[in-house]
Amino acid sequence: SQTIHQWPATLVQPVGSPLSLECTVEGTSNPNLYWYRQAAGRGLQLLFYSVGIGQISSEVPQNLSASRPQDRQFILSSKKLLLSDSGFYLCAWRGTGGNTIYFGEGSWLTVV
Amino acid sequence: GDSVTQMEGPVTLSEEAFLTINCTYTATGYPSLFWYVQYPGEGLQLLLKATKADDKGSNKGFEATYRKETTSFHLEKGSVQVSDSAVYFCALSLSGNTPLVFGKGTRLSVIA
Repeated sequence: SQTIHQWPATLVQPVGSPLSLECTVEGTSNPNLYWYRQAAGRGLQLLFYSVGIGQISSEVPQNLSASRPQDRQFILSSKKLLLSDSGFYLCAWRGTGGNTIYFGEGSWLTVV
Repeated sequence: GDSVTQMEGPVTLSEEAFLTINCTYTATGYPSLFWYVQYPGEGLQLLLKATKADDKGSNKGFEATYRKETTSFHLEKGSVQVSDSAVYFCALSLSGNTPLVFGKGTRLSVIA
């Protein structure tokens, strides 16, 4: 069966520090991968999605970036965090040709 | 563009009350429709889905019927429990690699 993991689950980072959130999917090949953000009390915002290695589509211009170095690995990064980057970050995947996406457990980021 | 509109919360109900959360959509094609649930502090979980008109998705006592004529996918449950307290997201998916489109979420609180 397919599983998705993301880490770390919780982190507190100072303003201006770098960020790296990692997500991996197991049990499937060539999935579509997504990063969403959920600010406190708000809905889901799609940040990035990827249909293949090295292919990244950005939905919202900001100081975040994403990379897909391997088929089932998706990384969210920032060189310098802002206070407004605080939120709940969710990685998700969808199988090729599938219509359902499945979410990871989420990562809580607090920028102080 | 494609969009999902769901009723704004929060919705507060007493235990065993009937629940309806409205969801309507706008799409250029024939989407699949979903309800996801997010329990406090967790990622999103697929609750139910329907892939074509008149299909009924059901799970854990929740139901939703894909109504093409009214472009709706309202979520219902006959008798809610305290454990149903969560945020509920309606979403649509079109074919291909396009990301899911989510509504803004509806927070449900069930009190004993």
